[in-house]
Amino acid sequence: AQSVTQPDIHITVSEGASLELRCNYSYGATPYLFWYVQSPGQGLQLLLKYFSGDTLVQGIKGFEAEFKRSQSSFNLRKPSVHWSDAAEYFCAVGLYGGATNKLIFGTGTLLAVQP
Amino acid sequence: DADVTQTPRNRITKTGKRIMLECSQTKGHDRMYWYRQDPGLGLRLIYYSFDVKDINKGEISDGYSVSRQAQAKFSLSLESAIPNQTALYFCATSDPAGVTDTQYFGPGTRLTVL
Repeated sequence: AQSVTQPDIHITVSEGASLELRCNYSYGATPYLFWYVQSPGQGLQLLLKYFSGDTLVQGIKGFEAEFKRSQSSFNLRKPSVHWSDAAEYFCAVGLYGGATNKLIFGTGTLLAVQP
Repeated sequence: DADVTQTPRNRITKTGKRIMLECSQTKGHDRMYWYRQDPGLGLRLIYYSFDVKDINKGEISDGYSVSRQAQAKFSLSLESAIPNQTALYFCATSDPAGVTDTQYFGPGTRLTVL
């Protein structure tokens, strides 16, 4: 069955430090992968997506993610974290075809940023 | 103005009551979705609709029903609310681009069932 695993429930980093959030997926076909961010009291905002092509994907707010098929991973990175990046981050895999159009979400990683 | 709006934003109700959550969008998208979010479980799909005449169950549709009144409106109903339906509910829309599409989310409705 298709699934998405985010191994880290909670991460704390210092402002200015680099960040990597892990995401592993289980899917038999070519995955369509997404990262969303949920700020406190807000809905989900799309950070970036991978459908095909270059495996390093650039997103908004200075984030990037790298698709590694051999590791079934799609980790999110940012070189220098800002206090405003404190939020919950969700990785998702898209399932498409016929009448199917679904996103399978991971359980999320809550990011705290220390001053 | 927000592209995807949800009303109400917060609702407290009692067990057994009928509740309707509404979603409206100005993005012109044909596809709309309802999810619920529970702590530690991420988002799970309740129902989705590809157009006004096409409604499909998601992975957790029991206890819920939906109505697609127009392209821009998609409502979620809890016919008889129960406490384990306490959650954050999100509406989303998408417009297919070839094989795949991207979903855009509303701000959410926090529902508490006492």
